[in-house]
Amino acid sequence: DTAVSQTPKYLVTQMGNDKSIKCEQNLGHDTMYWYKQDSKKFLKIMFSYNNKELIINETVPNRFSPKSPDKAHLNLHINSLELGDSAVYFCASSQVGGGYSNQPQHFGDGTRLSIL
Amino acid sequence: AQKITQTQPGMFVQEKEAVTLDCTYDTSDPSYGLFWYKQPSSGEMIFLIYQGSYDQQNATEGRYSLNFQKARKSANLVISASQLGDSAMYFCAMREWSGAGSYQLTFGKGTKLSVIP
Repeated sequence: DTAVSQTPKYLVTQMGNDKSIKCEQNLGHDTMYWYKQDSKKFLKIMFSYNNKELIINETVPNRFSPKSPDKAHLNLHINSLELGDSAVYFCASSQVGGGYSNQPQHFGDGTRLSIL
Repeated sequence: AQKITQTQPGMFVQEKEAVTLDCTYDTSDPSYGLFWYKQPSSGEMIFLIYQGSYDQQNATEGRYSLNFQKARKSANLVISASQLGDSAMYFCAMREWSGAGSYQLTFGKGTKLSVIP
């Protein structure tokens, strides 16, 4: 009964391909996030969704498109993959409203994307 | 401008000793929160401890405590009685409200802690 689960855990693909990463949380949280961790371990927010509505959209190439079919799922689709997209992508979730401001974001185990 | 600064890229500590990992932050928002996460070599992100800007006392969670000095804008993590399993990357992060029911975490660059037997 993993709280935040991402699939796949590893993704190895060729430059130019399109790929998707799926994320699901069973915590009942209303907000979900995508973070990118680069080769130097630096973590940066990419997107956040609150109840299926896009809230944060950082300066990310439009080849990256998040989709949230419901508040328990947030998927990330990447078109025309480039070498620089190689990274670990983390999904996270949190409960934000109703006095939950001290609650942490819960992270999935990450998806390691390698572009050949 | 960097909002979260972790000045120690790497640190070593002897097993059973205490260690302090530094974190300074910069914000003009009076309401903010600071989090520490641990990332072992297996890659997952593990939440350790939280400190809110209005909290009167320093946060503690088991062997973890936070030395919060608001005027200095520092939130250092103290790990007591280090164990070999504490070897990992440690990230300090600040919560910033993004509005509309969401906040984002801004992370520092991390400190790699190695515990020596």
